[in-house]
Amino acid sequence: AQKITQTQPGMFVQEKEAVTLDCTYDTSDPSYGLFWYKQPSSGEMIFLIYQGSYDQQNATEGRYSLNFQKARKSANLVISASQLGDSAMYFCAMRVSPYSGAGSYQLTFGKGTKLSVIP
Amino acid sequence: EAGVTQFPSHSVIEKGQTVTLRCDPISGHDNLYWYRRVMGKEIKFLLHFVKESKQDESGMPNNRFLAERTGGTYSTLKVQPAELEDSGVYFCASSQRLAANEQFFGPGTRLTVL
Repeated sequence: AQKITQTQPGMFVQEKEAVTLDCTYDTSDPSYGLFWYKQPSSGEMIFLIYQGSYDQQNATEGRYSLNFQKARKSANLVISASQLGDSAMYFCAMRVSPYSGAGSYQLTFGKGTKLSVIP
Repeated sequence: EAGVTQFPSHSVIEKGQTVTLRCDPISGHDNLYWYRRVMGKEIKFLLHFVKESKQDESGMPNNRFLAERTGGTYSTLKVQPAELEDSGVYFCASSQRLAANEQFFGPGTRLTVL
């Protein structure tokens, strides 16, 4: 079975500082994808970044980067130069292939980390 | 390009009533997913359509939930009769390909069953 673990229910970061949100995953499928989503207080789910299991380099999207450590099964999100608008819930998710037991290319989510940026 | 839209944004109903949630995926996206987040829990997969066909409905909690996607465009999720434990936020997501690098989510429908 697939599992995502986010051990930090809440995090605080000073504005303009960098912050790392932890995510570990568990799967026996060699082919998988890892996603990070941001959910502000308005409720929508905003896609941030994606890392494929065979990607050689860590994914980056603007101020977001994914610290992918395959052997440790971790996919931590790094936000550089935090802004007040980064305050939100952050979800790590994984997609595996249907051949690993999941019925489809569904996403399995962690419980989320609530990030608060302090001015 | 319009994103995934969901209607209504909020719904408050009484136990035993029926509610229908609607999702319009991004145009051209064959894959449509429904997820649900019950208060304090993880976001959980409900089901997956490929065009009008149910690819996987293993996450549907019970037979009070019925999802359809007639014509392979928009989808509806009906809860009949609603129970208290059905309260939560229902998300719809779509993607163009099965193993896409993105699943685009809608804003969600917050369902409250009293």
